[in-house]
Amino acid sequence: DAEITQSPRHKITETGRQVTLACHQTWNHNNMFWYRQDLGHGLRLIHYSYGVQDTNKGEVSDGYSVSRSNTEDLPLTLESAASSQTSVYFCASSESRGNPYNEQFFGPGTRLTVL
Amino acid sequence: AQTVTQSQPEMSVQEAETVTLSCTYDTSESNYYLFWYKQPPSRQMILVIRQEAYKQQNATENRFSVNFQKAAKSFSLKISDSQLGDTAMYFCALGPTGAGSYQLTFGKGTKLSVIP
Repeated sequence: DAEITQSPRHKITETGRQVTLACHQTWNHNNMFWYRQDLGHGLRLIHYSYGVQDTNKGEVSDGYSVSRSNTEDLPLTLESAASSQTSVYFCASSESRGNPYNEQFFGPGTRLTVL
Repeated sequence: AQTVTQSQPEMSVQEAETVTLSCTYDTSESNYYLFWYKQPPSRQMILVIRQEAYKQQNATENRFSVNFQKAAKSFSLKISDSQLGDTAMYFCALGPTGAGSYQLTFGKGTKLSVIP
C-alpha cells in the first residue's frame, strides 16, 4: 500500500545544530507540504512543493529550508536549530491531477526537541 | 486571506451520545472544499469527511456527518453514537487558498474527549 513516512520519529538536538527531517511518500503525489503543530496554534505551514525543483515558503518558513530533487522526497532542514523550533512536524502530500478535492495525506509526525 | 475558526478548544461527550463540533471560515474563493481531520493520541492525522462547497447536500460517512451552511460560512461536524475511539483532536480545514493553490488552511483544533 502507498504511504507517507517520516524519520526520525523523535529527535533531540542542541541549539545551533543543523537538523534534517526526512519525508518520503509512495503515493506519487505532485504536492508535498511541511507543517509544524504547536499547542494553541493548530497546524502551520512551513514550506511546500508542487513538483520536482519547485519549493515555496509558507506561513512560518524562517529558519527552515526544503529541496525537492525527486517526486518521493521532501526533506526539511533546520539550518541552526533554536529552542523555538521545538515542535511536532508533519509532512503531507496530495495529488492535484484529476483530484478536485486535493485532500492531504499525512505522515506520522516527528517530535523534535531543541535543548 | 483565508481563515478557519474553531471556537471550542475542548469538548466532552458521554459514550453513545451525539456531539457537534463547530467550524466557521472565511474565503474569497467561489469554489472550495472543506475537510474534517481527526488526530487521535497516536498523532496520525486521518481524514474524516470532506465537502464540496458547490454541493448543497451535506456529506455523511457512517456516524460522521456535517452541517454545511454556505451563506453563514459554517461547517460543523456531528458525531453520532460517540465511541471511546472518537477521543481525538479534530481539525477543520479549508482549501484551496487561491487559484493554482493546493494549500489547506487549518483551524486550531477541538479536543474531544469521549467519557465512558
